[in-house]
Amino acid sequence: GAVVSQHPSRVICKSGTSVKIECRSLDFQATTMFWYRQFPKKSLMLMATSNEGSKATYEQGVEKDKFLINHASLTLSTLTVTSAHPEDSSFYICSASPPGVGTYEQYFGPGTRLTVT
Amino acid sequence: KQEVTQIPAALSVPEGENLVLNCSFTDSAIYNLQWFRQDPGKGLTSLLLIQSSQREQTSGRLNASLDKSSGRSTLYIAASQPGDSATYLCAVKSGGSYIPTFGRGTSLIVHP
Repeated sequence: GAVVSQHPSRVICKSGTSVKIECRSLDFQATTMFWYRQFPKKSLMLMATSNEGSKATYEQGVEKDKFLINHASLTLSTLTVTSAHPEDSSFYICSASPPGVGTYEQYFGPGTRLTVT
Repeated sequence: KQEVTQIPAALSVPEGENLVLNCSFTDSAIYNLQWFRQDPGKGLTSLLLIQSSQREQTSGRLNASLDKSSGRSTLYIAASQPGDSATYLCAVKSGGSYIPTFGRGTSLIVHP
């Protein structure tokens, strides 16, 4: 099946710094990737839809300037948490769907645990 | 707006039991429904995908059914094992949107 990777798997940063998380589709090209945030014992909250070659589409309530998304190529999307604060600590997961399959089955990355101290 | 509910929120059973996890959705105009498994601190693993035209899908000890008219899906796990312990999420893609709506999940513990 399709494989999606994320890097890093775990990151600890100090308050006020920026952190970049990478999402890669390893064996397929993805014109669209999705970024989710998951709080403890909660479901996934869609943050934004990342579009290759164009601006990301953010969900209501998600700050565009705080969560910068860049879909630089058909296999890579990055999420940068700028000026991180402790409340940004969370589990971030990306997903993508292989094009042309017709089923639109989503494949998820393993997630990135961000801790802001 | 599509809303997805999963019942029960948590379940603890002895090994060997057959289980039923429930997922309900408010808008029956769906494109597909997908069941995922999530282990603690990990990403999501796709278990079964049911297209709107299908009634059920099976994979090993797992069977997922879909009843669009009543807005429900069930995930049946046969002969549960401790390795089945995880959180199970269902996600619904509504017609016209490629963005899925997730339920909050059912946290399953199967004890030996």
